[in-house]
Amino acid sequence: EVQLVESGGGLVQPGGSLRLSCVASGFTFSRYWMIWVRQAPGKGLEWVANINQDGSKKYYVDSVKGRFTISRDDTKNSLSLQMNSLRAGDTAVYYCARALSPRAGGAYDGFDIWGRGTKVTVS
Amino acid sequence: SYVLTQSPSVSVVPGKTARITCGGENIGSKSVHWYQQKPGQAPLLVISYDGDRPSGIPERFSGSNSGNTATLTISRVEAGDEADYYCQLWDNSSDHVVFGGGTKLIVL
Repeated sequence: EVQLVESGGGLVQPGGSLRLSCVASGFTFSRYWMIWVRQAPGKGLEWVANINQDGSKKYYVDSVKGRFTISRDDTKNSLSLQMNSLRAGDTAVYYCARALSPRAGGAYDGFDIWGRGTKVTVS
Repeated sequence: SYVLTQSPSVSVVPGKTARITCGGENIGSKSVHWYQQKPGQAPLLVISYDGDRPSGIPERFSGSNSGNTATLTISRVEAGDEADYYCQLWDNSSDHVVFGGGTKLIVL
């Protein structure tokens, strides 16, 4: 079964750090662009960061640049999001998702496989 | 940065057609994807690349994109289609993924 499972969320004080993980199974993880998307309580979807297949391209929403780092470990089929200097505005459910197709231009793709999300509360 | 504009809500009677729009400057030159999200669930890709349906998505869902507006059309709307719908694209001028604010589809 193709799936993504996030973990690492929790309650953290402002200024603190968390590391989110997303483990993939059922597909060749190394062939796909991956993304983190968050959703604050009662709000819409917000892109956080994405990364290409070999990790050479990483892009971030302006509000997390310099605080969050996206990375991947293809040997472990794992995507990570290191979150530092957390703020109340980072409170959200964080989802990881997979690009639709295994191609170099995957940044243009939609995202067809999503995890169930992990909740981060900064308070 | 690039902005996608969606109406907050759309209401439709079961069996009729719902049209959800996503506005953006010259959006017709970009590839738009659409997601359905029900309460407590992860988003579900329902339309990719303006009008392609992923496997398992009913033919009632279709999409188009031209000029400054992309449209998700849901024909023969069912109660189970009630959800939030989001448009999304990749803005290559800023290297950003952009989501619209979402539209709540209300089935009366």
